[in-house]
Amino acid sequence: KAGVTQTPRYLIKTRGQQVTLSCSPISGHRSVSWYQQTPGQGLQFLFEYFSETQRNKGNFPGRFSGRQFSNSRSEMNVSTLELGDSALYLCASSLRTAGASYEQYFGPGTRLTVT
Amino acid sequence: SQQGEEDPQALSIQEGENATMNCSYKTSINNLQWYRQNSGRGLVHLILIRSNEREKHSGRLRVTLDTSKKSSSLLITASRAADTASYFCATDFNAGNMLTFGGGTRLMVKP
Repeated sequence: KAGVTQTPRYLIKTRGQQVTLSCSPISGHRSVSWYQQTPGQGLQFLFEYFSETQRNKGNFPGRFSGRQFSNSRSEMNVSTLELGDSALYLCASSLRTAGASYEQYFGPGTRLTVT
Repeated sequence: SQQGEEDPQALSIQEGENATMNCSYKTSINNLQWYRQNSGRGLVHLILIRSNEREKHSGRLRVTLDTSKKSSSLLITASRAADTASYFCATDFNAGNMLTFGGGTRLMVKP
């Protein structure tokens, strides 16, 4: 079974631009979560989508948004990029049944550098 | 903000020795998970322990959970150089795939 894939793997953008990152979950997984990892703040939860609906959202500004498609693939978008948005963005997929707990399978991440 | 604090932040041991990492958290949880990360790559799930469990084993890994102390520990026995990585605990308070990660422990296993 193929793992979680993320594209692109590396990205360099300029302040003020916007960026879209893509994530394809493991086949059959309907939950996709996004995390930001920086040296200063560590790993922080961005949002989670299940069946095309955002179920949970972390404490990030509205510049960070996402969506999920009917095939469970997900995209996240960051508008008006700031230098502090430079980070490794990780996507994770999971089987999810309400009230149950499942491990998350992470992709390799997209390393975004904002100059 | 991070819910968990991990201790130690860094650990260096010789191959064959055991490595113990500790994690403390602040709020009630549904489950606690441990992940490994190699050199800024994606995270690999190691083990999940539910709030009503006290101990869990997986191969050379042993995880304990003490909900009264809001703490967990990960023990890696007979460590190998390939175990060199960062290890993170993550708490899930509502089984909603919204993980809160600790700061991680950087483990170096010397051959």
